[in-house]
Amino acid sequence: AQRVTQPEKLLSVFKGAPVELKCNYSYSGSPELFWYVQYSRQRLQLLLRHISRESIKGFTADLNKGETSFHLKKPFAQEEDSAMYYCALRGTGNKLVFGAGTILRVKS
Amino acid sequence: DGGITQSPKYLFRKEGQNVTLSCEQNLNHDAMYWYRQDPGQGLRLIYYSQIVNDFQKGDIAEGYSVSREKKESFPLTVTSAQKNPTAFYLCASSNHKASGYYEQYFGPGTRLTVT
Repeated sequence: AQRVTQPEKLLSVFKGAPVELKCNYSYSGSPELFWYVQYSRQRLQLLLRHISRESIKGFTADLNKGETSFHLKKPFAQEEDSAMYYCALRGTGNKLVFGAGTILRVKS
Repeated sequence: DGGITQSPKYLFRKEGQNVTLSCEQNLNHDAMYWYRQDPGQGLRLIYYSQIVNDFQKGDIAEGYSVSREKKESFPLTVTSAQKNPTAFYLCASSNHKASGYYEQYFGPGTRLTVT
């Protein structure tokens, strides 16, 4: 089965605090994972992909095949990080399987 | 201005009526997708098309229909058979033939309300 699980519906942190958005996946094979973000009144957009091993807006995510996880992290949250975050897995047929999403709320 | 457009932004219909949502892209992408976004359920795939004149059902295709007569266009019809049609609908496209990086690009969405 191809599945993505984001256990937290809402994560609320204070500005300057570390952030970790959890994502676990189920996939037989070599996974390709992504984080998408949807800011208020903006369209859904790609934040980062694991194969790039990049850091975007201070966010990083490491693929842990042993734990089947792809958690999104940022050391110091900013108010502009408040958004809906989706973890996604590239499945068969060039489809994306999305998790349920986590709302990140950064409080001042 | 390149990208994906969806129209209209808001759509209201009476129960029992079919309604068609528009999705157009000028990115020259081969693949196009329709998702439904509901609170707490993430994005669920309705239909997708990897090439003109071909499309496949996604996870929640019942009560929906699509066509792909042109590369640029992938309209979605919400039929009266869809039991819970009120939702936010997102269209996306991707160039799945490109080697290396894969990315889906999303439209702004259409919020459909059926009463």
